[in-house]
Amino acid sequence: SQTIHQWPATLVQPVGSPLSLECTVEGTSNPNLYWYRQAAGRGLQLLFYSVGIGQISSEVPQNLSASRPQDRQFILSSKKLLLSDSGFYLCAWNPDGVSGNTIYFGEGSWLTVV
Amino acid sequence: SQQGEEDPQALSIQEGENATMNCSYKTSINNLQWYRQNSGRGLVHLILIRSNEREKHSGRLRVTLDTSKKSSSLLITASRAADTASYFCATVGTYKYIFGTGTRLKVLA
Repeated sequence: SQTIHQWPATLVQPVGSPLSLECTVEGTSNPNLYWYRQAAGRGLQLLFYSVGIGQISSEVPQNLSASRPQDRQFILSSKKLLLSDSGFYLCAWNPDGVSGNTIYFGEGSWLTVV
Repeated sequence: SQQGEEDPQALSIQEGENATMNCSYKTSINNLQWYRQNSGRGLVHLILIRSNEREKHSGRLRVTLDTSKKSSSLLITASRAADTASYFCATVGTYKYIFGTGTRLKVLA
């Protein structure tokens, strides 16, 4: 079966600390992978997407980076967190990699920067 | 910003009534999709309408698309308390899924 896992579910980090959010998927090869951020009560902002290993497209200049070290692994990172990085981070994937098909979301990671 | 906008931002109705929410977008699209988000959870896909379609139905959901006006609407008929959630449209180009700002729907029992 096709599944998506995202962790950690919740974290509280001090300003200036590093960040690593991980997303893994199962059940297919060469999926398209996405990172979104959602501020409280707001819409989703596309941060990064990847159509293959090592291929990362960045949508918004920011304090974050993404990597795809393996086909089914997508990592969101920061070297030094800012208060404005707080939010709900969602990983999503398009299992068959066909542009325009439905994408499926993980359960999200709540990040609070203090 | 390429982000679309949903209208209204918030909607409160009684159980059994119909709920209509609208989405406007800015770019050309391959298709448009509607998603639902329960509070604090990931989004769940509801329905997809292709750029060459004008209307689509799925159960109690009815979606329309007007590419000349760059707008779409989602109608939920005979609403239930369990329909309480946020609803988002997503415009889909090549690989990119751009979500709107969402409509928060509250259905009162």
